[in-house]
Amino acid sequence: GAVVSQHPSRVICKSGTSVKIECRSLDFQATTMFWYRQFPKQSLMLMATSNEGSKATYEQGVEKDKFLINHASLTLSTLTVTSAHPEDSSFYICSARPGVRSGELFFGEGSRLTVL
Amino acid sequence: QKEVEQNSGPLSVPEGAIASLNCTYSDRVSQSFFWYRQYSGKSPELIMSIYSNGDKEDGRFTAQLNKASQYVSLLIRDSQPSDSATYLCAVIKDTGRRALTFGSGTRLQVQP
Repeated sequence: GAVVSQHPSRVICKSGTSVKIECRSLDFQATTMFWYRQFPKQSLMLMATSNEGSKATYEQGVEKDKFLINHASLTLSTLTVTSAHPEDSSFYICSARPGVRSGELFFGEGSRLTVL
Repeated sequence: QKEVEQNSGPLSVPEGAIASLNCTYSDRVSQSFFWYRQYSGKSPELIMSIYSNGDKEDGRFTAQLNKASQYVSLLIRDSQPSDSATYLCAVIKDTGRRALTFGSGTRLQVQP
């Protein structure tokens, strides 16, 4: 399957700091990438849709000023958690699909954020 | 009503048995359906996709879709301990962004 790489896999930060997570499609171009969040023992919840060259689309209840998304190229999307707080501690996962017609989404390895 | 519903489990089966995982969805316009497997602490990996009514087989896995009943299932034959994981059902509801909506997952335990 298609390869999506995410970095870092784990990050620990202090409350009030900002953290950037990168998502790269390694063997295909992705005009759209999706960012999900997963709390322990819960399912994946879509946070936002990252669109190359334009603004991200955020799901209801997700603060766009707190979760900054940049999709500057066809292979890279970044999620920045600004002024992180302990309640932002979660597993953040990006995903992308290799073709417009393909339905299958491939996921990055995930980034576990712990805010102290 | 949740958009995608799954029994949380755990579903426990002996090694070599058939595991049957079920999922229902609420939006009739959903067109694409997926099963992902997620090991603890890892991201989901795609097992099967199914787009039309009926069965689709891939090795030990068979996905079944019944759009009239809004029901999709996954059968795992000859279950192995390595199949122990959480299985996530996902659907694409909208034809625009085509983001996946996930169920809460069913935890499968295969007993050696």
